[in-house]
Amino acid sequence: KQEVTQIPAALSVPEGENLVLNCSFTDSAIYNLQWFRQDPGKGLTSLLLIQSSQREQTSGRLNASLDKSSGRSTLYIAASQPGDSATYLCAVNAGNNRKLIWGLGTSLAVNP
Amino acid sequence: GAGVSQTPSNKVTEKGKYVELRCDPISGHTALYWYRQSLGQGPEFLIYFQGTGAADDSGLPNDRFFAVRPEGSVSTLKIQRTERGDSAVYLCASSPDRDSPLHFGNGTRLTVT
Repeated sequence: KQEVTQIPAALSVPEGENLVLNCSFTDSAIYNLQWFRQDPGKGLTSLLLIQSSQREQTSGRLNASLDKSSGRSTLYIAASQPGDSATYLCAVNAGNNRKLIWGLGTSLAVNP
Repeated sequence: GAGVSQTPSNKVTEKGKYVELRCDPISGHTALYWYRQSLGQGPEFLIYFQGTGAADDSGLPNDRFFAVRPEGSVSTLKIQRTERGDSAVYLCASSPDRDSPLHFGNGTRLTVT
């Protein structure tokens, strides 16, 4: 059974820092992995999607990597800003039925 | 363009009542998903539609929960005889195909008193 773990559960950093959020999964047979952002009281916003054949994806200040063999993905946020404060969730798509298996998220606070 | 729309945004109901939650996906998205999220938890899969048919309903917790998508666009999640444990945020998402990211609505916060 696929399990997804995110470390750390919470993170507080000063503005301008580069930071790394971690996601690990137990079954390497995945179709893709997605990183989402969730603001309080809001739905989820897709940030990056990495197909199983890809190693990384980049969008602006965000870079996500995928190492299937070790069951890990990282989300790198460069030059963090207070507006980056949110909960970041990773979700693994096993492919067969397209339902996502989610981590519990990392709650990020970027302090001005 | 318009995103995924969910109505109502908040619903308070008494235990034992029937509720309907509506999801209007992005136009042209054939795949539609329902998840629910409890406080401090990741989303929990409920059901997935491809077109009009439920391709996977393995996440529905019991037979009090039912969802339809009669014309392959708008979907309604129906909960009968609501229980306090049904209280959660119900999220709907759509995507054009399996290779594309999911687009989520803002959710419906259901509170059963």
